[in-house]
Amino acid sequence: DGGITQSPKYLFRKEGQNVTLSCEQNLNHDAMYWYRQDPGQGLRLIYYSQIVNDFQKGDIAEGYSVSREKKESFPLTVTSAQKNPTAFYLCASSDFGGSLEAFFGQGTRLTVV
Amino acid sequence: GQQVMQIPQYQHVQEGEDFTTYCNSSTTLSNIQWYKQRPGGHPVFLIQLVKSGEVKKQKRLTFQFGEAKKNSSLHITATQTTDVGTYFCGTGSSNTGKLIFGQGTTLQVKP
Repeated sequence: DGGITQSPKYLFRKEGQNVTLSCEQNLNHDAMYWYRQDPGQGLRLIYYSQIVNDFQKGDIAEGYSVSREKKESFPLTVTSAQKNPTAFYLCASSDFGGSLEAFFGQGTRLTVV
Repeated sequence: GQQVMQIPQYQHVQEGEDFTTYCNSSTTLSNIQWYKQRPGGHPVFLIQLVKSGEVKKQKRLTFQFGEAKKNSSLHITATQTTDVGTYFCGTGSSNTGKLIFGQGTTLQVKP
């Protein structure tokens, strides 16, 4: 089945630890995105990538890092510098240059204690 | 940077009543997309509008794109309990690939 996969679904970490969230897609999409969702704040863009080995900061990139070494993969690292990392993280991909319709993964709920 | 503002944040309706959510921008948009996120789920694409004044319908859902391409609306006629969820508008740039979303409108439907 074609789609976008995020893992794990739930993640717990201790404060001060870096943690990496996985995002893989087999839709052959060029563009990939990371969003953070908090109650009442919608979907806020963290990072996005239009092409392999290139990515841009979104609106709330501080405390996060990404890499795009392969077209299929766009992992997000939540670093210890992120002040309030507990949130629901959503990865998406789209056919950049096409319809721009975004396909979302199931999300990862990160809890930092 | 480009922003889209969505209102209202929450809406509670009785089953059978109509519902509308609005999306506004201070700048002209090249496109507007609408997504639905069921409780506990992830956003799912509903539709994209690109033309000034465009109106599209999907069963009980009507989507409009304003003449100035700065606002959009999603109207649901005769809501059902299956309509419960959060509706997001979003806009993407075919130049930069950036895709941003509004804050969402959460719809609750009382049976």
